[in-house]
Amino acid sequence: DAKTTQPTSMDCAEGRAANLPCNHSTISGNEYVYWYRQIHSQGPQYIIHGLKNNETNEMASLIITEDRKSSTLILPHATLRDTAVYYCIVRHSWGAQKLVFGQGTRLTINP
Amino acid sequence: AAGVIQSPRHLIKEKRETATLKCYPIPRHDTVYWYQQGPGQDPQFLISFYEKMQSDKGSIPDRFSAQQFSDYHSELNMSSLELGDSALYFCASSLGSNSNQPQHFGDGTRLSIL
Repeated sequence: DAKTTQPTSMDCAEGRAANLPCNHSTISGNEYVYWYRQIHSQGPQYIIHGLKNNETNEMASLIITEDRKSSTLILPHATLRDTAVYYCIVRHSWGAQKLVFGQGTRLTINP
Repeated sequence: AAGVIQSPRHLIKEKRETATLKCYPIPRHDTVYWYQQGPGQDPQFLISFYEKMQSDKGSIPDRFSAQQFSDYHSELNMSSLELGDSALYFCASSLGSNSNQPQHFGDGTRLSIL
């Protein structure tokens, strides 16, 4: 699986958009980009995933660059409850593939 | 919506004892994954099952074993427990073996070894 690089920590003001970057320059054509978050020792929570196209759901938007070497997770209106560690994970498209968690980005939403 | 159920939520054991952790996947999910998260660490993959067969194996100690039953629930059996086994153990489930299906996690079992 391709390796991902994320900033160790980020801050964002409540109500503003939080933009979390992820670099996955060695991603291959059949690997998905997944985003999870973990709020203090709770189980990781699935946010969104994509292959090539930008994706949006009720939680967030995922913007994948055209060369697929990086992506950005966008939380449009961050709240205090969005404070968590956010993991960007690249996952092969075939088989029941495990998730390989890196260090993630510790996002703090400030009032 | 129904989520992944793990039991027990907390478990305290002593060294050299055994423990069994249980995981009940989301209804109709046929794939189960186990992860271990030590204090201050990121979750690490242990083992997974698809349709009751082991599908992948990670850094799972030989002292641990797991299986998936006909109703798709899974159990992680841990023997000769060591202090270093103290961790959060998460189970996740997904539908099918296609990686376009996300894994959904339970709330975990916190195992403490005294």
